[in-house]
Amino acid sequence: NAGVTQTPKFRVLKTGQSMTLLCAQDMNHEYMYWYRQDPGMGLRLIHYSVGEGTTAKGEVPDGYNVSRLKKQNFLLGLESAAPSQTSVYFCASSYTIWRGTYNEQFFGPGTRLTVL
Amino acid sequence: AQKVTQAQTEISVVEKEDVTLDCVYETRDTTYYLFWYKQPPSGELVFLIRRNSFDEQNEISGRYSWNFQKSTSSFNFTITASQVVDSAVYFCALGFQGAQKLVFGQGTRLTINP
Repeated sequence: NAGVTQTPKFRVLKTGQSMTLLCAQDMNHEYMYWYRQDPGMGLRLIHYSVGEGTTAKGEVPDGYNVSRLKKQNFLLGLESAAPSQTSVYFCASSYTIWRGTYNEQFFGPGTRLTVL
Repeated sequence: AQKVTQAQTEISVVEKEDVTLDCVYETRDTTYYLFWYKQPPSGELVFLIRRNSFDEQNEISGRYSWNFQKSTSSFNFTITASQVVDSAVYFCALGFQGAQKLVFGQGTRLTINP
């Protein structure tokens, strides 16, 4: 199993450009997440999905959109990139809550995005 | 509000020393989960442990141990006889009932010097 994979690994954008980050998981997980990691701020949740066709906002959703058309894929879009979106982006996935157990999230390797 | 605080931004010790990473959380929920993740220099996040709010037993896994104290809202992580391979950023995280989401602390960068 590949686990959680992210494409691309690195990207440099100019202000105003758009791009899509792809996350894929082969563990049949229901839940998927997008985080950003900035120095001194830990990981902050951008958007998440509790199942195919559903998405919800996290802590820092502004400037991002997401889609979950297939269970195994979760796309993060930047319509008009800004320098403030320079960050490392992590995708994660997890099983649903089962019998009250809160399952751990499995993370992808990250995408380093620089917006000039 | 849910919040996790890791007050130690950076820790540096010499190999074989014991080191404790602090984690303090805030939540009004009675049911919640606490996690520790490791982020080595390669960048990926590795799950280390999950603990629910009803289980205050300490846990030991090899050189790693965790001390959960609800009275002080803390979930501290101790590495015994540290090794250079333990050098990483460590994150504490809180999961709360009703939402399969995690709130992360700021992380502690641990450097083990040979």
